[in-house]
Amino acid sequence: AQKITQTQPGMFVQEKEAVTLDCTYDTSDPSYGLFWYKQPSSGEMIFLIYQGSYDQQNATEGRYSLNFQKARKSANLVISASQLGDSAMYFCAMREVGTYKYIFGTGTRLKVLA
Amino acid sequence: NAGVMQNPRHLVRRRGQEARLRCSPMKGHSHVYWYRQLPEEGLKFMVYLQKENIIDESGMPKERFSAEFPKEGPSILRIQQVVRGDSAAYFCASSPGQETYGYTFGSGTRLTVV
Repeated sequence: AQKITQTQPGMFVQEKEAVTLDCTYDTSDPSYGLFWYKQPSSGEMIFLIYQGSYDQQNATEGRYSLNFQKARKSANLVISASQLGDSAMYFCAMREVGTYKYIFGTGTRLKVLA
Repeated sequence: NAGVMQNPRHLVRRRGQEARLRCSPMKGHSHVYWYRQLPEEGLKFMVYLQKENIIDESGMPKERFSAEFPKEGPSILRIQQVVRGDSAAYFCASSPGQETYGYTFGSGTRLTVV
């Protein structure tokens, strides 16, 4: 069965430093996508970054990068040069190719300190 | 091009009342998905609809919950005789087709049952 595990319920990071949010996943399907979403206190779900299981390179989007280690089934989100506006909940999610259901982790609450 | 529109943003209902949540997909999108986020949890799939059809309602509670996506108008998630445990954020997402790698979420409706 598919599963997403986020083991860090809360994280603190100093402004301008980098932070890594952990995500491990479990699936028996070789074709899948991994996603990270940001949920600020206002509640909306903001798509950040996507990694396909066959992508050769780690995905990057501005200050966000995904450290994809397929053998270890991990898809950690790295946020560089943290900003106060990065304080939010972050969710890792997975979807097997050809399906439409996302499986979400329980999230990590990130607090950026001034 | 407006995103996925959900209304209301906040909804308060007394126990036993009905809640109706609306979702207007992005223009050109004919696939709609509803997810529920209980407090301090990730999103969980509820139902997948196309115009006038329910494709998968495996995540819907067996009683009191129903969803529709009529030929004209928004998708509606209806909860009858609400109970305190229905208090959650309900998110809608849409896509142009099933095989897209990712889809856009609306801002959610926060239902509070008092």
